[in-house]
Amino acid sequence: DTGVSQNPRHKITKRGQNVTFRCDPISEHNRLYWYRQTLGQGPEFLTYFQNEAQLEKSRLLSDRFSAERPKGSFSTLEIQRTEQGDSAMYLCASSSQPADTQYFGPGTRLTVL
Amino acid sequence: KQEVTQIPAALSVPEGENLVLNCSFTDSAIYNLQWFRQDPGKGLTSLLLIQSSQREQTSGRLNASLDKSSGRSTLYIAASQPGDSATYLCAVTPPAGTASKLTFGTGTRLQVTL
Repeated sequence: DTGVSQNPRHKITKRGQNVTFRCDPISEHNRLYWYRQTLGQGPEFLTYFQNEAQLEKSRLLSDRFSAERPKGSFSTLEIQRTEQGDSAMYLCASSSQPADTQYFGPGTRLTVL
Repeated sequence: KQEVTQIPAALSVPEGENLVLNCSFTDSAIYNLQWFRQDPGKGLTSLLLIQSSQREQTSGRLNASLDKSSGRSTLYIAASQPGDSATYLCAVTPPAGTASKLTFGTGTRLQVTL
């Protein structure tokens, strides 16, 4: 299957711990997006990569959050010193020019205790 | 700042009924509009994408329309089935040349009953 994959699917952590999520996009897609979704809300944009360049970051992405996409392939999203408010579903999507249909992965559900 | 609203927030219909979901957006300067389906606890599945120059798109029992000037889109589902039960989200992208980040509505939770 060549869809977007995300790991882990679920993560439970204690407040103050660091967590890292991984996203593997569809192989030929050069654009990769991270979104965050809380219960009952639509996803909110966090950050966007074109190849390995991080081109935009939302104000939602505090300095505790960092994302990378080395070599323009998979991406990681790290949250340092987690807080209970970080509990959410973290979604990754990828797309290719020029169609720009975004294809989403299954998400990583983070619970901060 | 673009804002996307979806009405109704929840909808319950008997199997076989035709239904319409509504989406409105405040800034008509969009590149395209997408409709997604989300099952509980799962990721998003793209249903239809309408380019800003288009008026509608169809896929099977689904038909999406776009009226960019009035900032509205509708998703029409014909002959609804219990398997259509899910949350439906619409999302818009800003004009070409800017980051293609999606701005989502809060969704319509659809339940189709037997």
